[in-house]
Amino acid sequence: AQSVTQLDSHVSVSEGTPVLLRCNYSSSYSPSLFWYVQHPNKGLQLLLKYTSAATLVKGINGFEAEFKKSETSFHLTKPSAHMSDAAEYFCVVIRRAGKSTFGDGTTLTVKP
Amino acid sequence: GAGVSQSPSNKVTEKGKDVELRCDPISGHTALYWYRQSLGQGLEFLIYFQGNSAPDKSGLPSDRFSAERTGGSVSTLTIQRTQQEDSAVYLCASSYRQPNTDTQYFGPGTRLTVL
Repeated sequence: AQSVTQLDSHVSVSEGTPVLLRCNYSSSYSPSLFWYVQHPNKGLQLLLKYTSAATLVKGINGFEAEFKKSETSFHLTKPSAHMSDAAEYFCVVIRRAGKSTFGDGTTLTVKP
Repeated sequence: GAGVSQSPSNKVTEKGKDVELRCDPISGHTALYWYRQSLGQGLEFLIYFQGNSAPDKSGLPSDRFSAERTGGSVSTLTIQRTQQEDSAVYLCASSYRQPNTDTQYFGPGTRLTVL
């Protein structure tokens, strides 16, 4: 069985300050973990993925995430938020056989 | 190049009617996925196709839901005897091969409203 918990449904930051979106997972096997972003009225887009290589993963738009097996976490961070980062973010665990489990999403608001 | 396309973009139907939703994956992608996104919620996995293998139907919520993929390309999701709780955005995605390593590319979705 696998599950994903996004610990915050809403996160609000000021432009230029760091972003932290938290994700914890449970899985009975070595997971592959992804972060996707959904901008208003746009499709889902991959931010980054962890697939058992380097535990610190860098993605697009300055985002990165670190896989911590001991903490079963895959938190998403960015040093400095931009207005264009306002969107909904989904943490996803995927198993080889194909079933994808999405978290409930975190809405990021960036204040000027 | 062309991305994943879905049709129709919007569908309004009456309770009890059947609906068909179509997905055209990216050419060359062997894996295809269907998800449902209800208002304010995350994506709910419905079904996964990989090449010519039997699909993983473990996410289909009831036997009113079915999906097929013809010729390893286009897929149709069919909902029979629609209910109001079926109202949601239905998203299709495709990936090159392995779902646990390859990026899933999402279509724009079909917004289904059941009156």
